[in-house]
Formats: sequence, structure tokens, C-alpha cells
Amino acid sequence: SQQGEEDPQALSIQEGENATMNCSYKTSINNLQWYRQNSGRGLVHLILIRSNEREKHSGRLRVTLDTSKKSSSLLITASRAADTASYFCATDAIGSGNTGKLIFGQGTTLQVKP
Amino acid sequence: KAGVTQTPRYLIKTRGQQVTLSCSPISGHRSVSWYQQTPGQGLQFLFEYFSETQRNKGNFPGRFSGRQFSNSRSEMNVSTLELGDSALYLCASTKSGIRTGELFFGEGSRLTVL
Repeated sequence: SQQGEEDPQALSIQEGENATMNCSYKTSINNLQWYRQNSGRGLVHLILIRSNEREKHSGRLRVTLDTSKKSSSLLITASRAADTASYFCATDAIGSGNTGKLIFGQGTTLQVKP
Repeated sequence: KAGVTQTPRYLIKTRGQQVTLSCSPISGHRSVSWYQQTPGQGLQFLFEYFSETQRNKGNFPGRFSGRQFSNSRSEMNVSTLELGDSALYLCASTKSGIRTGELFFGEGSRLTVL
């Protein structure tokens, strides 16, 4: 498969706890993005991290990128019930016939219980 | 400003028919890309159009085609529908292209093939 992999596939936590999801990818990249999708709806962009960056923050979100391991993680701190959604990583891939294509991971489904 | 608009939101077709989906990007956005989302295959890149030219294409058969008009609106067409084409079709727009960052997604067109 050309797609990256995310783990866990599903995550259930209590409100107030932190949620961490991981994304691994297969090719070299220019950048990696994280998106959120509420059930059956469109995707909403959360954050973009470039290949020369190691960490980025946006509000309660923290993203790390390790290009040597071809992996990224998304941390959501102090989670809220409204964070319940599926989260996808997407890579701007380079090479192996993937240049110019956006490759999505399989997603992590997060449930935050009130 | 208005977001990305996709029409129709829901449609039902039978095998062998064809379907045309429409996407109106955010004003000023010249790139429109299309994605197919299914439970089994996840989110897969179909193609990207920029200023009426196809920039890149995913690994889909020739039954899947698209075009972009001078006002940046885009259509995708699927001919000779198969059961496996049942999916949520998402389009996204961005100013400069999918490689440069944040994509704005529409709510999708849910296609059911019977």
C-alpha cells in the first residue's frame, strides 16, 4: 500500500486526559499534515510540519516529526468531548512515483468520554 | 468567505451508469484536488487540477476523470460504475497547490452504487 500507517487505530480516553497518535510513512517527504474528520464529514486541517522541523505547537496540539524514523506523532492535551473524531496524517511524498500526491494514513479514531 | 461546496451531497446510482460530481473551491483558490474515501482503502488521492491543468493523478483506472473550468470549479466523472465505487468523494481547494500546505475540504459527495 502507498499509504502510511497510524496507530492506534482506535483510542478511547476520558475528558481531560492527553491523547497521542502516531503516523509512520514510507517515502521521503516535503511536509506532513494532520487533519481531523468528524463522522462522515469533510476534513479540517490542524497543523503542518515541514521536513526540516522537529516539533510544532498549535494551541493544545503538539506535533513531532522524526524523518530518520519516518514517523510523526500528534499529541492533544487536556482533551475535550468535542475532540472526538478521526485523525489523519497526510504526507507530501517525494519519489517512488508519489511526487505531487498527498498520501493519507489510515487514521486514528479518538473517542473522548465526558 | 464561503467554504468549499460539493454537489450533490448524496446520490444513488446503479452499476454501469456514470456520475458527475461538482466542486466549487474557495474564491481565489486555483488548486482543486479530489479524494476517494472508503472503509477498506481509506483516503486515496484521485487527482489535482491547477489553473485548468491536471497536475497529478493517483492510481485509479481511466473510468475516473476530471476537469477544471476557468473559474476554478471542478468536476469529476466516473463512468461505468462498479459496486466498489461506492464511497465518500471529497474535494479540497488551496491557493497554490496540495504541496504547499493547508487544504480546505468540502463536506463530500456520498455515492452509493447498487
